[in-house]
Amino acid sequence: DAKTTQPNSMESNEEEPVHLPCNHSTISGTDYIHWYRQLPSQGPEYVIHGLTSNVNNRMASLAIAEDRKSSTLILHRATLRDAAVYYCILRGGAQKLVFGQGTRLTINP
Amino acid sequence: DTGVSQDPRHKITKRGQNVTFRCDPISEHNRLYWYRQTLGQGPEFLTYFQNEAQLEKSRLLSDRFSAERPKGSFSTLEIQRTEQGDSAMYLCASSSIQAGDTQYFGPGTRLTVL
Repeated sequence: DAKTTQPNSMESNEEEPVHLPCNHSTISGTDYIHWYRQLPSQGPEYVIHGLTSNVNNRMASLAIAEDRKSSTLILHRATLRDAAVYYCILRGGAQKLVFGQGTRLTINP
Repeated sequence: DTGVSQDPRHKITKRGQNVTFRCDPISEHNRLYWYRQTLGQGPEFLTYFQNEAQLEKSRLLSDRFSAERPKGSFSTLEIQRTEQGDSAMYLCASSSIQAGDTQYFGPGTRLTVL
């Protein structure tokens, strides 16, 4: 399974944008980049995914580097409810999701 | 669409007892997955079903673990002769091949083995 690298933790302020980085230098051409987040005592929540082009949805934006070796999840205006562990996952042909340690995001009021 | 549901949400048992968890996927989702998550770690894949067929099992799924999805709808995960190392959050997810195969997770069942 292709591996991703994320910072262990990040901190931001409420109502400011947050950029969560993910490195995936061994990504293959068919791997999709998925982001999930997990709030305390809850199951993971799907956020967004993409292949090559940048993607936007109501929760976040996903910016994918041209060489696809890195990506950034962008929360445009963080709220306290965005405090969670964010996981960047590569998904190719296999059905299972392989979670790493993720980035623990703290939002300061 | 009520989302993935899991029952019970919490289970405390004594070592050596058997436990069974249930997962109800999103309606008409043909794939169903089980994951396990221990404290401070990301979820780890256990097994997945496509309709009734169990198509992949992780090495984590020892012979004390068995999962079923008899009619291609709900699934059960049974752990026999529980051990303290089985204490974890057991997560279920479902997806639809026709709808992009994104996995949606339930709230999990937290198992504590005393």
